[in-house]
Amino acid sequence: GESVGLHLPTLSVQEGDNSIINCAYSNSASDYFIWYKQESGKGPQFIIDIRSNMDKRQGQRVTVLLNKTVKHLSLQIAATQPGDSAVYFCAENRADSSYKLIFGSGTRLLVRP
Amino acid sequence: EAGVTQSPTHLIKTRGQQVTLRCSPISGHTSVYWYQQALGLGLQFLLWYDEGEERNRGNFPPRFSGRQFPNYSSELNVNALELEDSALYLCASSFAGDTEAFFGQGTRLTVV
Repeated sequence: GESVGLHLPTLSVQEGDNSIINCAYSNSASDYFIWYKQESGKGPQFIIDIRSNMDKRQGQRVTVLLNKTVKHLSLQIAATQPGDSAVYFCAENRADSSYKLIFGSGTRLLVRP
Repeated sequence: EAGVTQSPTHLIKTRGQQVTLRCSPISGHTSVYWYQQALGLGLQFLLWYDEGEERNRGNFPPRFSGRQFPNYSSELNVNALELEDSALYLCASSFAGDTEAFFGQGTRLTVV
């Protein structure tokens, strides 16, 4: 398939610490990237996006970093809270006629109280 | 403003049967995407519809099909159900082009 359906890696962090979730994307032609959060039993929820002409974008408590040289994306969550516990997916998009979001395999974030 | 809505929320079918899942996009969105998410795994792209036409499909057999109606709502049809079709089927919508897609809560399909 186009997104790798493997077991989910897990990141466990202490409440209040910063979290960094990493993602490697597959196509150098991708020019738009999104991070989604998926809580148990729910659909993915948009967190933050970034276009390929940027290398950093900040939101509320979240920062996305894009390194096009190595095709790497990261999501940083500041002062992680128990409500941040979820599975996080990165998605890449190619702005051509075959537009579709290709999702990474996801990372499970567990926040320890 | 209503988000993406999907129906039904849960469904149990027998192997060999056919199923139809439904999706209503956010008002104003013309693109609808379907994804399959097997339990504990990532999202696999199924289909993309825009302005009533199928624009792209993922690596799924032809028994997975769908359509988009003039009001931009969409159906996903799966024929000859197999046990491995058991998954959460997610629909997302967006404005056409490279903008964020918003997801519905999904339909949980169980094939027995």
